[in-house]
Amino acid sequence: DAGVTQSPTHLIKTRGQQVTLRCSPKSGHDTVSWYQQALGQGPQFIFQYYEEEERQRGNFPDRFSGHQFPNYSSELNVNALLLGDSALYLCASSWTSGRVYNEQFFGPGTRLTVL
Amino acid sequence: QQPVQSPQAVILREGEDAVINCSSSKALYSVHWYRQKHGEAPVFLMILLKGGEQKGHDKISASFNEKKQQSSLYLTASQLSYSGTYFCGTEGGDGTGGFKTIFGAGTRLFVKA
Repeated sequence: DAGVTQSPTHLIKTRGQQVTLRCSPKSGHDTVSWYQQALGQGPQFIFQYYEEEERQRGNFPDRFSGHQFPNYSSELNVNALLLGDSALYLCASSWTSGRVYNEQFFGPGTRLTVL
Repeated sequence: QQPVQSPQAVILREGEDAVINCSSSKALYSVHWYRQKHGEAPVFLMILLKGGEQKGHDKISASFNEKKQQSSLYLTASQLSYSGTYFCGTEGGDGTGGFKTIFGAGTRLFVKA
């Protein structure tokens, strides 16, 4: 059973550019959450997708947007990149239907460097 | 509101015990614990729901005091493999799904032989 997968593994962009990160959830999972983890910090919640809609959002600007597809995979888009967007971006999947708690399984992450 | 973890870092000798605390200023529905090794993704350890239950996983256990909005992770007879950064994640609301998990800043644990 494949776990959560993310692509690409590493990415280097310059300020002002746009980036798209991808995530495939663990089999059987229907909910995808995105986190930004700066070096030495805990993961910061960006947003969560369920049934192809953004269900919850953290304190991130509108430059951060996402999408969930019918197969539950998800994309994170960041526009007008800033140096401060450099971080590890983690995708976590879980399942909502029939569950009352949010046990999450994390993917390996995408390391984004903005120059 | 980010939960507060303590201590920030701890160094143990193999076989020693440790306690990591996590506290929140908000009412909690659940507390999650994860361990992250350097360069790897966080790995789920356990989740505790409100009700003051205690859970265990091998020699790692945790408690959740919903009235105090606190959780503690207990590592007994630590092994070298326990080294890493431990994060607590808190979830508010009534737990009916869709609630975001807010992570603490982490506790760095190093176990030496």
